[in-house]
Amino acid sequence: SAVISQKPSRDICQRGTSLTIQCQVDSQVTMMFWYRQQPGQSLTLIATANQGSEATYESGFVIDKFPISRPNLTFSTLTVSNMSPEDSSIYLCSVEISGGTEAFFGQGTRLTVV
Amino acid sequence: GENVEQHPSTLSVQEGDSAVIKCTYSDSASNYFPWYKQELGKRPQLIIDIRSNVGEKKDQRIAVTLNKTAKHFSLHITETQPEDSAVYFCAASRGTGGFKTIFGAGTRLFVKA
Repeated sequence: SAVISQKPSRDICQRGTSLTIQCQVDSQVTMMFWYRQQPGQSLTLIATANQGSEATYESGFVIDKFPISRPNLTFSTLTVSNMSPEDSSIYLCSVEISGGTEAFFGQGTRLTVV
Repeated sequence: GENVEQHPSTLSVQEGDSAVIKCTYSDSASNYFPWYKQELGKRPQLIIDIRSNVGEKKDQRIAVTLNKTAKHFSLHITETQPEDSAVYFCAASRGTGGFKTIFGAGTRLFVKA
């Protein structure tokens, strides 16, 4: 298993500003993923954070809006840039343990943009 | 692209009854099918999973079945209890190696005492 610490747990931000969300894992993991979950909705994959290379983004998500860092095998950040009220959502990081397929999730960051 | 459809979106059952949630997937290369339970305000947590070489798996009151030919898989909860009330997500992936997991839309289960 994996213990994932994600912060902040929640934030209220002004439109036009940026917020960086951090995800720390207690062990080295191969894959880290960032999801968005809008209220009452499913989880939508934003991007896969690759260690040592650029993140791989899903359709509808771009690096300029959601820059991601993955400096090592235990840490990643997601930045939500130039925020608008439509970015209000829960953002979750997820990891896949080497050799396994179960996804473990951080506790999520509830973002409100006003 | 890959897609996972999940039904029903909402399910209400009486305590002690069974609940069934069904999913279909589009990517024929999918070989790993997890189910997640998400309680209000909490993170999704894995409750059971099944791989493509198995047709059925059971863990106490929870069971999952898989029909690879039809690309269907289902979650069965027997003897439901109020604490089973949550949102359940099915998902599909191609397994390890960085393949992404595609989630269904979720089923909100209400178990009435």
